[in-house]
Amino acid sequence: AQSVSQHNHHVILSEAASLELGCNYSYGGTVNLFWYVQYPGQHLQLLLKYFSGDPLVKGIKGFEAEFIKSKFSFNLRKPSVQWSDTAEYFCAVTPTHSSYKLIFGSGTRLLVRP
Amino acid sequence: DVKVTQSSRYLVKRTGEKVFLECVQDMDHENMFWYRQDPGLGLRLIYFSYDVKMKEKGDIPEGYSVSREKKERFSLILESASTNQTSMYLCASRPGTPTYEQYFGPGTRLTVT
Repeated sequence: AQSVSQHNHHVILSEAASLELGCNYSYGGTVNLFWYVQYPGQHLQLLLKYFSGDPLVKGIKGFEAEFIKSKFSFNLRKPSVQWSDTAEYFCAVTPTHSSYKLIFGSGTRLLVRP
Repeated sequence: DVKVTQSSRYLVKRTGEKVFLECVQDMDHENMFWYRQDPGLGLRLIYFSYDVKMKEKGDIPEGYSVSREKKERFSLILESASTNQTSMYLCASRPGTPTYEQYFGPGTRLTVT
């Protein structure tokens, strides 16, 4: 069965530190990839997405992600985090042959200390 | 702005009660989804609907049913609530085009006692 793995369940950083959150998926075919973010008390919202083309994708609030097909990975990065980035981050995958289904990872809780 | 609203933010029900969770979207989206979110498990798909009166089971449909009589409204029904259905329930909608992005509601935190 298809699955999405997020290896870091909890991450604690100080402001201005660099961030990289890992995401790996298990599916051999073509996929569309997403990162969603859930700020405390708010609804889930899209951070960035990859469908095709340039594997380095830029999203909102200075986030970016790189799709590495050979590694089945879609890691999220930010060069310098802020306290306001404290949130839970979810990686999600849609196999293009089954475009209704969005498969989520278990999430990573990020705490940024001021 | 896409708006997905859910009828309640918090709900407390007793074991065995029939529970209705309502979701409304205002963007004329064809596809709608119900997920439950549990700590350490991410989001798991319960049911989705690709059009009015059309529905498909997701990964964890047991104990749930859905109804979509109008395009903008998608209801999740717990026929006989149980304590293991205590969870956060999220509704989402999406256009029927290959955009694939889903828009989420604020969630309903359901507690079954």
